[in-house]
Formats: sequence, structure tokens, C-alpha cells
Amino acid sequence: QKEVEQNSGPLSVPEGAIASLNCTYSDRVSQSFFWYRQYSGKSPELIMSIYSNGDKEDGRFTAQLNKASQYVSLLIRDSQPSDSATYLCAVNIRGKSTFGDGTTLTVKP
Amino acid sequence: EADIYQTPRYLVIGTGKKITLECSQTMGHDKMYWYQQDPGMELHLIHYSYGVNSTEKGDLSSESTVSRIRTEHFPLTLESARPSHTSQYLCASTQSSAGELFFGEGSRLTVL
Repeated sequence: QKEVEQNSGPLSVPEGAIASLNCTYSDRVSQSFFWYRQYSGKSPELIMSIYSNGDKEDGRFTAQLNKASQYVSLLIRDSQPSDSATYLCAVNIRGKSTFGDGTTLTVKP
Repeated sequence: EADIYQTPRYLVIGTGKKITLECSQTMGHDKMYWYQQDPGMELHLIHYSYGVNSTEKGDLSSESTVSRIRTEHFPLTLESARPSHTSQYLCASTQSSAGELFFGEGSRLTVL
């Protein structure tokens, strides 16, 4: 079992819709959870971090964490074509971040 | 804003050559990392450092080596490059114990 698993993509949504990205992790010791966005040919950039159970909102982005279910999600509201990218879930375990395979999102105008 | 720099951005070399990928950050971060990423694939941690004179191997076995003589500098060296080393190498750093990473722009290595 992989340490961090993301829902298989690619994911395609129309402009203005809500995009939902999911991630599960295997190590219950994990304390910090992140979502990075990676445009094609670019390096990852941090868009959300979450450390406690519940929701965390930042603009159009909402991260959700459920430690009991070992589940992290990212919702993107009012999706824009500029949101088209690969979204990477990362879990920090003992000071090192482990990444999922990523989910590629395409937002169609 | 993160200031972490990688050079070269692109490198094409022949088999057997020695190469060093440079990574420097101006943020005074103690923790630095090297990840390897093939196109369309996940990032794999190959080396990390929690401070000067501290280096550790990551989860993915790599023939590369690293050094950390200065806080701001974390170079990666391949003594004898092979085609299997063709990949993108991403350097990252953080000061936070939580671990949010700031990435450099990457070094794309092609070994012929």
C-alpha cells in the first residue's frame, strides 16, 4: 500500500463548477497535510496546508481533514481554466514530506 | 516569497560524466530536500538535510551524493552519470517543523 494515494484522474470540470480532489494516507503518525499545485513543466507550489480535523478555507480553496478516516480533500469552487494543473497531496511524516501521484485537473471554458 | 535557486535549469551530458546540480536558498532555512520526478510521475525524496553537516538518504535509493557545508547551499553530485539518471531534480527547503516546502524551479537532466 502506498503511503499517500490520490483519486485517479484525470478530472475534468466545466468552468464555474466545483472540483473535488481526494487523498488518503496510511501513517496515523502524520501531523501535517498539504496540497501543492504543479503546472506542466513547472515545480510544485504550496496552495493549502491543514493540521487539524475539519475544514480550512482560503479564497476559492477549501481543505478538509479527517484523521480518523485518514482522509484529506481539496475543493476548488468556481473553477477557472487557470486552475488546470496537477494537484499533489503531501503528508509530512517525521519531518519528511511524502507525495501522492497527483491528480490532473482540466477546467473547460 | 520563497527564494530558492537551482542551476543549471537544463543539462544534457554524456554517459560517465560527473555533474553537480546546485541549490541555494536565501531564507536561512535549516531543512533542505532533493526530490526526483520523472514526467507525469510522483516526487520521490532522494536526500535531505536538517542543518549544516547533516545529510540523510531519502526513501528512493539514489547513486547521487549531497553535501551541506553552508546553510544556504545544498548541492547534489553524480560521479558518473548514466541514462537511468535522466529526470527532473527538484530542490526544496523549509524552516517550519510542519514542513511546508518551497521549491526551486528544478534541474532537468538528460544523460545520453
